Amino acid sequence: GAVVSQHPSRVICKSGTSVKIECRSLDFQATTMFWYRQFPKQSLMLMATSNEGSKATYEQGVEKDKFLINHASLTLSTLTVTSAHPEDSSFYICSAKPGTGHPETQYFGPGTRLLVL
Amino acid sequence: GQQVMQIPQYQHVQEGEDFTTYCNSSTTLSNIQWYKQRPGGHPVFLIQLVKSGEVKKQKRLTFQFGEAKKNSSLHITATQTTDVGTYFCAGRSFQKLVFGTGTRLLVSP
Repeated sequence: GAVVSQHPSRVICKSGTSVKIECRSLDFQATTMFWYRQFPKQSLMLMATSNEGSKATYEQGVEKDKFLINHASLTLSTLTVTSAHPEDSSFYICSAKPGTGHPETQYFGPGTRLLVL
Repeated sequence: GQQVMQIPQYQHVQEGEDFTTYCNSSTTLSNIQWYKQRPGGHPVFLIQLVKSGEVKKQKRLTFQFGEAKKNSSLHITATQTTDVGTYFCAGRSFQKLVFGTGTRLLVSP
């Protein structure tokens, strides 16, 4: 089956630093990748949708200058949390949608737990 | 904006009992997907429903999409301890997938 990886799986950083999270589709090309955040015991909230080679589309209320998304290739998207603060601590999950096969299906990465001190 | 609510938020059953979670959208959906997330894990795709009134089965799991394409349900027959997790529906509307609030299922042996 389709595999999506995320790196790192867990990161602890100091307030004010920037953190980059990578999302890779390992065995398929992803025309679209999505970034979600999930607070403990809550649902997934879509942050942004990124298409390869174009600017990401951010959901209402998500600061695009704070959460920088780059979708440089059909297998890699990155989310950079700039000047992270404790309230940014969360579980960040990416998902990727294949360009062929079952395009409506999204495959989720294992997630990245971010803790900002 | 679009909201997708699930009830109940939490259910604790004895192994062998049945379980149902209901999903309701504020807008009409083009399709609905169901995911299972184990504690500490990430969502895993279970199924997608597209047609009005569609019913699909996967072993002990039965998924239903409402006639108006605004609600859905997931029914588990004779739960097992391996069914533990949070079940999310996710409705697609205007190219966007919006996750429901989730139902957390706990199964006691």
